[in-house]
Amino acid sequence: LAKTTQPISMDSYEGQEVNITCSHNNIATNDYITWYQQFPSQGPRFIIQGYKTKVTNEVASLFIPADRKSSTLSLPRVSLSDTAVYYCLVGGPWRNDYKLSFGAGTTVTVRA
Amino acid sequence: GAVVSQHPSRVICKSGTSVKIECRSLDFQATTMFWYRQFPKQSLMLMATSNEGSKATYEQGVEKDKFLINHASLTLSTLTVTSAHPEDSSFYICSARDKGRSYNSPLHFGNGTRLTVT
Repeated sequence: LAKTTQPISMDSYEGQEVNITCSHNNIATNDYITWYQQFPSQGPRFIIQGYKTKVTNEVASLFIPADRKSSTLSLPRVSLSDTAVYYCLVGGPWRNDYKLSFGAGTTVTVRA
Repeated sequence: GAVVSQHPSRVICKSGTSVKIECRSLDFQATTMFWYRQFPKQSLMLMATSNEGSKATYEQGVEKDKFLINHASLTLSTLTVTSAHPEDSSFYICSARDKGRSYNSPLHFGNGTRLTVT
């Protein structure tokens, strides 16, 4: 399983854009990059997933350079409710029993 | 969207008793479910992979006789913490992958079970 490295914490203010970069130097050819959000005492919630270039949905964008050794989650115009832990996971579900291992995650704190 | 339901959300038990936690996929079938444990201010740690109709696969360091996993159907997996002790107090989370979705579909997580052993 590809190991990931993220900043431990990031602080931001309401209305700002937050960019979290994740390093995954040993990502495999079939691996996808998935980001989850977790609030205290809740299970992780899927945010976005990508393989290469750029993916955008209604809550975030994911930028993946050509070498795929890193990825950046971009949260536009954050609000207080975006305060959470964000996890970057890399894995290849080509096997029926593929499993995801969580790294330390990035604690994002949004202030008013 | 796909929903994974965990029950109970909170449980308090006495040391030495057993506790069962259920994980259900409500609107999809899951041949594989995963069980995680999370201590305060720490990340999720994968405990075991639950496979429908076969034995669970445990991660290194996780006692299979203490954490019994049963995956009897495509929508239900249970985790039983046997002879619980205070050090087993933690947040237990399950996740499941939709059998009918494409191979790269993301996992769906339950909302967790807070276990407190007194």
